[in-house]
Amino acid sequence: EAGVAQSPRYKIIEKRQSVAFWCNPISGHATLYWYQQILGQGPKLLIQFQNNGVVDDSQLPKDRFSAERLKGVDSTLKIQPAKLEDSAVYLCASSLAGPRGDTQYFGPGTRLTVL
Amino acid sequence: AQSVTQPDIHITVSEGASLELRCNYSYGATPYLFWYVQSPGQGLQLLLKYFSGDTLVQGIKGFEAEFKRSQSSFNLRKPSVHWSDAAEYFCAVGLKTSYDKVIFGPGTSLSVIP
Repeated sequence: EAGVAQSPRYKIIEKRQSVAFWCNPISGHATLYWYQQILGQGPKLLIQFQNNGVVDDSQLPKDRFSAERLKGVDSTLKIQPAKLEDSAVYLCASSLAGPRGDTQYFGPGTRLTVL
Repeated sequence: AQSVTQPDIHITVSEGASLELRCNYSYGATPYLFWYVQSPGQGLQLLLKYFSGDTLVQGIKGFEAEFKRSQSSFNLRKPSVHWSDAAEYFCAVGLKTSYDKVIFGPGTSLSVIP
């Protein structure tokens, strides 16, 4: 079974530029998560989708971050414009259903450096 | 507010020694509990999880964890550490909301001395 795929693996941009990350979850997984992991910290949930609907985006900086999940499968996370403090690893995860403590499977992440 | 604490930022143990990583949480009910491991340059991998029932949970790679309701703790243990166990370990709690939000702790970095 293929795991969660993310691209690109690394991205370096200058502040005020825009960037987009892509995630392909495990086939059949209804729930998709985007996390931000700043160096030395645990992952912080940015947004959670159930199929293609958003169930939690309370920690997503909506003035600069946006995410979508078309057709309940792939997802993209965009930052526009980027700030220095956005430098982090962006992790995508998916789970079969979500509710009832289902196991999350993580992708390798995208390491973003904002100069 | 719900939170997860991992009191030890960094732990160093000798290969073959026993290991215990601490995790405490703050939540008004019994949450789901998880331990994940993150090796350098790799994604997070689930070691074990607690949903209900037996409070001693067995996981992969020889790890186990014990849920203690009275102490709001879910400590991870391994009787004999291998050099390959060096990694970052994250405790996480799943809140029993309609969509089961998961909150991660700050992590404990484990170094293993040969």
